[in-house]
Amino acid sequence: EDQVTQSPEALRLQEGESSSLNCSYTVSGLRGLFWYRQDPGKGPEFLFTLYSAGEEKEKERLKATLTKKESFLHITAPKPEDSATYLCAVLEGSQGNLIFGKGTKLSVKP
Amino acid sequence: DAGVIQSPRHEVTEMGQEVTLRCKPISGHNSLFWYRQTMMRGLELLIYFNNNVPIDDSGMPEDRFSAKMPNASFSTLKIQPSEPRDSAVYFCASSLERRQETQYFGPGTRLLVL
Repeated sequence: EDQVTQSPEALRLQEGESSSLNCSYTVSGLRGLFWYRQDPGKGPEFLFTLYSAGEEKEKERLKATLTKKESFLHITAPKPEDSATYLCAVLEGSQGNLIFGKGTKLSVKP
Repeated sequence: DAGVIQSPRHEVTEMGQEVTLRCKPISGHNSLFWYRQTMMRGLELLIYFNNNVPIDDSGMPEDRFSAKMPNASFSTLKIQPSEPRDSAVYFCASSLERRQETQYFGPGTRLLVL
């Protein structure tokens, strides 16, 4: 069965303390991997799409990378406003469904 | 660009009542998705429309759930009768052409069934 697993479930960082979030997946025929940010009480907000192993995308303090089995979301020198739940989703080949992980809740303390 | 619009934002109802959730996708987007989010199961796809036609409804949990898209700018998700286990946040999302395109989410409807 296709599966998307995110780790850790929760991450607490001090402002300026860089770290990485992980998204591992087992799907048949990856067609794309998406990262979303979700703030409390709001819908997921699109961040990145990655399509092939080795691809990297950057936006401000965030950088997403992709391998054949996992993706990382690197957060460099985070600020309190980066606090949110980060969702990873995989677009798999057979049904074309977007399969979401449970997310990583990031808290950045000043 | 107004983004995806959903209404109501919050709904509290009693078990057995009919609930109708509404969605207006981004103008020009041809694909529309309904999702349900709970703490236990995360985000789950309920149904996917392309050009107003339901393509994949395999995620619809039961016959109590139904969805329609009468035109390109409006969709509804109906639950009849509602049950407490339907309590969740329901999101609508739209994408440009196909389901493979990036999906943009609305703010969600928080449903509580008592």
